[in-house]
Amino acid sequence: GAGVSQSPSNKVTEKGKDVELRCDPISGHTALYWYRQRLGQGLEFLIYFQGNSAPDKSGLPSDRFSAERTGESVSTLTIQRTQQEDSAVYLCASNPLGGSYNEQFFGPGTRLTVL
Amino acid sequence: GENVEQHPSTLSVQEGDSAVIKCTYSDSASNYFPWYKQELGKGPQLIIDIRSNVGEKKDQRIAVTLNKTAKHFSLHITETQPEDSAVYFCAARKLTGGGNKLTFGTGTQLKVEL
Repeated sequence: GAGVSQSPSNKVTEKGKDVELRCDPISGHTALYWYRQRLGQGLEFLIYFQGNSAPDKSGLPSDRFSAERTGESVSTLTIQRTQQEDSAVYLCASNPLGGSYNEQFFGPGTRLTVL
Repeated sequence: GENVEQHPSTLSVQEGDSAVIKCTYSDSASNYFPWYKQELGKGPQLIIDIRSNVGEKKDQRIAVTLNKTAKHFSLHITETQPEDSAVYFCAARKLTGGGNKLTFGTGTQLKVEL
C-alpha cells in the first residue's frame, strides 16, 4: 500500500520568506509526527498529533514554526520568516495507534534550503 | 529530558565482518528502544526494537541487546553485506502521558566495503 508521502521533495527559499511543507500519512494512521534532521544530525522532534487530542508542540523551536492537521489526514508544517538555520530535512511519520511501542512509518522528507 | 548518545559516528567494516553500534540513554523511565536504518534520500525505517522487559532480541543477522542498569543498548549486525551500508539511528521512548515521542541518537554511518 501507499506509504507516507511528503511534498515538495525539495524547497529552496530566500531568508525571510514563509514556507509550507505537506505530509500525507498512511490512511487510517491516527498519529502523525514532524521531525527535523539537520545535516549529519539525528532526528529532532517537532510536533505530534494524535486524533482529536491537543497536539504536543513541545519540540517546536520557535513561534515561527507551526503545524496543522485536518482530522486524521493531511498535515502542513509552516515556517514563517525563514532563517538559514532552518535549512534541514523535515521528516513526517505516522503510526496506527500512537500508543506504546508502535513503529513510526517515515516519509522521504522535504529538504529545505534557506539562502 | 531524555538524552541519547550514539557511537561511533562512522563505521567501516569489510563484507562478512560484524558491526556494533552502541547507544546510551539518560532517563531510566525509558522503556522502548528502536533502531532505524536510513538509506540515502529516504526516510528512516524500523529494523528492530526492544522493550525494557527483555535483554536481547534477534532477527536473522540483526540483534539488539539492552542493559537497563547501565542504560545502554547496542545493535549487532553479523555477516555484513554491501546493502547494509546506511545511516543507523537508535532511539528511546520515555514513559509520559500520551504520545509516542522518540528521542534519537545522532546516527552512525555504516559502510560495508567489498
